Amino acid sequence: KNQVEQSPQSLIILEGKNCTLQCNYTVSPFSNLRWYKQDTGRGPVSLTIMTFSENTKSNGRYTATLDADTKHSSLHITASQLSDSASYICVATENDYKLSFGAGTTVTVRA
Amino acid sequence: ETGVTQTPRHLVMGMTNKKSLKCEQHLGHNAMYWYKQSAKKPLELMFVYNFKEQTENNSVPSRFSPECPNSSHLFLHLHTLQPEDSALYLCASSQDRGQSNQPQHFGDGTRLSIL
Repeated sequence: KNQVEQSPQSLIILEGKNCTLQCNYTVSPFSNLRWYKQDTGRGPVSLTIMTFSENTKSNGRYTATLDADTKHSSLHITASQLSDSASYICVATENDYKLSFGAGTTVTVRA
Repeated sequence: ETGVTQTPRHLVMGMTNKKSLKCEQHLGHNAMYWYKQSAKKPLELMFVYNFKEQTENNSVPSRFSPECPNSSHLFLHLHTLQPEDSALYLCASSQDRGQSNQPQHFGDGTRLSIL
């Protein structure tokens, strides 16, 4: 069973609207939680990295939250743009170096 | 531009062919990685090199053979592949294998199709 589960698998939103992606993980001992954005035909690009002591971190219109007690993270996209259409991958790090990847959430932003 | 360049971007090969994937990073990193990404599935770590030494092989079939001649270059040699090996192969680098709070930088991948 995968140690990182993401939901929803995909979603469609209208340009300008907000959306929130969910991630639950079970890795232990936990080191940090990462979110990556992967555009079609490109490699993943790092958005945020949070350690267990951080509750929130922003990167422009992307805001990630982390609850290490419930082993849950979310990624909020504010005022979506067409360029936000991509796959968003949640990654939990175990033991300082072992990365467990989620299958990703595909976001489609429509005009 | 991520600083990690992969070639070729696309590769179609028969099951009896031999080919190689190349990765080059210009970031001064010491750790390099090969991942396999199949549709709708999580990235699968294949190999890890740290300071040119292979530190991980995640039970990858021997038809995949990595090579790391220096800290900036990484190759994946392919031979006698199977149709299920068709996937996107991603290379990544990071400052060091043990620096977990540093991001991994990915190349744009090689889309491999096995006929």
